Amino acid sequence: DAGITQSPRYKITETGRQVTLMCHQTWSHSYMFWYRQDLGHGLRLIYYSAAADITDKGEVPDGYVVSRSKTENFPLTLESATRSQTSVYFCASRQGHGTDTQYFGPGTRLTVL
Amino acid sequence: GENVEQHPSTLSVQEGDSAVIKCTYSDSASNYFPWYKQELGKRPQLIIDIRSNVGEKKDQRIAVTLNKTAKHFSLHITETQPEDSAVYFCAASSSSGTYKYIFGTGTRLKVLA
Repeated sequence: DAGITQSPRYKITETGRQVTLMCHQTWSHSYMFWYRQDLGHGLRLIYYSAAADITDKGEVPDGYVVSRSKTENFPLTLESATRSQTSVYFCASRQGHGTDTQYFGPGTRLTVL
Repeated sequence: GENVEQHPSTLSVQEGDSAVIKCTYSDSASNYFPWYKQELGKRPQLIIDIRSNVGEKKDQRIAVTLNKTAKHFSLHITETQPEDSAVYFCAASSSSGTYKYIFGTGTRLKVLA
């Protein structure tokens, strides 16, 4: 579990500001994921990446941008934060196939005022 | 689309009793079924998983059963303890297609001392 980290762990920002959440993994896993977790909604997939320079939308991609220039990093950017994006964000990674174990980062709690 | 239904959403049991959480999936290509435990304020962590070539797997007080015909799998916790109190998520995945985990909506388990 120490192999996947997120920063910052807590962030408070204002409506309209740009925010970037960082995710870093040391396992060289091919797949990386961003989820948001809100009370009553479980884990909702925002974006995922199968490899460097390959990304795709999940269930709730609107308002978010991702990039993956290096295998180990998968930053998530909120271009213009809104109050509805207040949530806990989890990054996850997995080696490859759907039958591999997926590991979650510690999460980032984001508050948009 | 692909879907995983999880029941119940909340479950309270007396310490020492058993707890059962059930999930039903829609994608017949699913062949990997992990279960995650999430304690308050923590990341989801894998507690047990099962692949489609077996019908049951056990690890101490935790077991998972799979019925591929019915597209149904369950988590069984015996001799529950207060530290079992958490939110449990089931998921389904396949070794083809997008390789995404499809998560259930979670079950909040409370073990009453």
